[in-house]
Amino acid sequence: DSGVTQTPKHLITATGQRVTLRCSPRSGDLSVYWYQQSLDQGLQFLIQYYNGEERAKGNILERFSAQQFPDLHSELNLSSLELGDSALYFCASSVEPGAVGYTFGSGTRLTVV
Amino acid sequence: GENVEQHPSTLSVQEGDSAVIKCTYSDSASNYFPWYKQELGKRPQLIIDIRSNVGEKKDQRIAVTLNKTAKHFSLHITETQPEDSAVYFCAASSWNSGGSNYKLTFGKGTLLTVNP
Repeated sequence: DSGVTQTPKHLITATGQRVTLRCSPRSGDLSVYWYQQSLDQGLQFLIQYYNGEERAKGNILERFSAQQFPDLHSELNLSSLELGDSALYFCASSVEPGAVGYTFGSGTRLTVV
Repeated sequence: GENVEQHPSTLSVQEGDSAVIKCTYSDSASNYFPWYKQELGKRPQLIIDIRSNVGEKKDQRIAVTLNKTAKHFSLHITETQPEDSAVYFCAASSWNSGGSNYKLTFGKGTLLTVNP
């Protein structure tokens, strides 16, 4: 167990729907990162939060949004889902924004049908 | 932005042989280079990392070398075992305290198969 908790582990939904993925960072970690992993694109950085504030943005679609709450857990919201959004979504956490040796959660496998 | 190229995409070796995976990066400001191992259906796990102020780092059967001038770094696994079979990812980041670029840019991965 890495200490980073992601729920749910699996999610199957239809095109056009909206889903929320949840991540709880390791105890003491203030930074949360979201990554998308697909077969053809590898691990793509989506967004980073530090202590509730957005710190860096990557290749995140406008249909996707995220936030980090006061208790430091984070949610990634995916809307108007398309077949191409099917992927593994990983959350990672670290103590500081620059502590890049961070730890990944077990991921949420999203299947859009 | 940063671009990381990783080669080969697949690598098959016999148990006991060595395996080498190579990565190149584009951003000369990058100063942190971790390697992750991902088994099928599982999370990526950090196995070794190196910062730009050193040229080589070793941890038991795993070593990483960095050539800043050429902007490439490599993972070396000696005496490979079947349990080393996994996908290996290299990554690069230009981390600095107070800076804003905290994301890791990953290579596309190398599927390593160690045959018994």
